[in-house]
Amino acid sequence: QVQLQESGPGLVKPSETLSLTCTVSGGSISSYYWSWIRQPPGKALEWIGYIYYNGNTNYNPSLKSRVTISVDTSKNQFSLRLSSVTAADTAVYYCARYSVSYPYYFDYWGQGTLVTVSS
Amino acid sequence: DIQMTQSPSSLSASVGDRVTITCRASQSISTYLNWYQQKPGKAPNLLIYAASSLQSGVPSRFSGSGSGTDFTLTISSLQPEDFATYYCQHTYNTPLTFGGGTKVEIK
Repeated sequence: QVQLQESGPGLVKPSETLSLTCTVSGGSISSYYWSWIRQPPGKALEWIGYIYYNGNTNYNPSLKSRVTISVDTSKNQFSLRLSSVTAADTAVYYCARYSVSYPYYFDYWGQGTLVTVSS
Repeated sequence: DIQMTQSPSSLSASVGDRVTITCRASQSISTYLNWYQQKPGKAPNLLIYAASSLQSGVPSRFSGSGSGTDFTLTISSLQPEDFATYYCQHTYNTPLTFGGGTKVEIK
């Protein structure tokens, strides 16, 4: 059974960089897209971007200038960096697995981690 | 970007009721449409993919239909564990986007 687990600071100061890591267990990180999705408190889900195990990325244009997603296949991990954060970036951040061929869907998710942007 | 609009945003229903949730895409997305269920404090859970295919392990009271721009999620007989928020999501292109959610509450 594939499991995903987010880790990283729960509090980030405004203008600083948010950094999270997702550790994948129970399966290889190869052959899938690995994604970050966030959900501000009480609001809907927003796709941030995804990465393929070979390092190819695809980002949401609304966040592209501030987002970097990277992968470490040796550790079965992928990571998110979001720069110049503001209070609007306060959200629960989820990592999830996305299929590489049709039908496309997010089938495995981490439990989510709340990141609060505040001084 | 393709906008996904769900209706209603919330509804109240009783156990045993038939419930229908609608999702409309701002352009045709064929059947590139998924449905997720999210309970408070939990990650979303995939229910339906490709508009009408039931994910493994999901009860058969859940069904999906539609193509093009209009889609429906139906719960044939609402059970206590179905009270949650439901989201549609398109996979036609990127950016991937989700609907605003439909909260199903106990009447």
